[in-house]
Amino acid sequence: DAGVTQSPTHLIKTRGQQVTLRCSPKSGHDTVSWYQQALGQGPQFIFQYYEEEERQRGNFPDRFSGHQFPNYSSELNVNALLLGDSALYLCASSSLLLDWDGELFFGEGSRLTVL
Amino acid sequence: AQKITQTQPGMFVQEKEAVTLDCTYDTSDQSYGLFWYKQPSSGEMIFLIYQGSYDEQNATEGRYSLNFQKARKSANLVISASQLGDSAMYFCAMRPPSGGSYIPTFGRGTSLIVHP
Repeated sequence: DAGVTQSPTHLIKTRGQQVTLRCSPKSGHDTVSWYQQALGQGPQFIFQYYEEEERQRGNFPDRFSGHQFPNYSSELNVNALLLGDSALYLCASSSLLLDWDGELFFGEGSRLTVL
Repeated sequence: AQKITQTQPGMFVQEKEAVTLDCTYDTSDQSYGLFWYKQPSSGEMIFLIYQGSYDEQNATEGRYSLNFQKARKSANLVISASQLGDSAMYFCAMRPPSGGSYIPTFGRGTSLIVHP
């Protein structure tokens, strides 16, 4: 049973560019959440997708956008990259049909470096 | 608003000894969940243990136990018989009482290094 998979694992961009990160949730999960983890910090919630719609959003600018596909996979897009966007981007999947006991499963992340 | 505080940026422990990682939290909710995650250098966040605010007994999962003191708003992680593979970042997190809408708030983490 495959867990949460993310791609790419590492990437380097320059300021002003755009980036797309991808996530496939764990089998049986229908909800995907994205987190940004800067160096030395805990993960910060960006947004959550369910049924192809953004359900909740954290305190991130509109440069951060996302999408969920019918197969529950998801993309995170960041436009007009800034140096401060350099971070580990984590995807987590869960199932809304389960109570809390459906724990949150994380991927290994995509490490973005903006030069 | 919920807040998690981890005051220990780094901890060192000898192999086979026990170690306690501190976590305090702040919330106005009566019902909430507390978690600990382990993050090795690979980056993946690995779920370790969960404690519900109404659970009367401290949670245990193998070598991990959560020392829950509700009145003090603390949820410390105790790792018994430390192993070299326990070296990693450890994050305390809190979830609000919204079933299915799992949006946890994370602390800044504690780096644990286990010495042979």
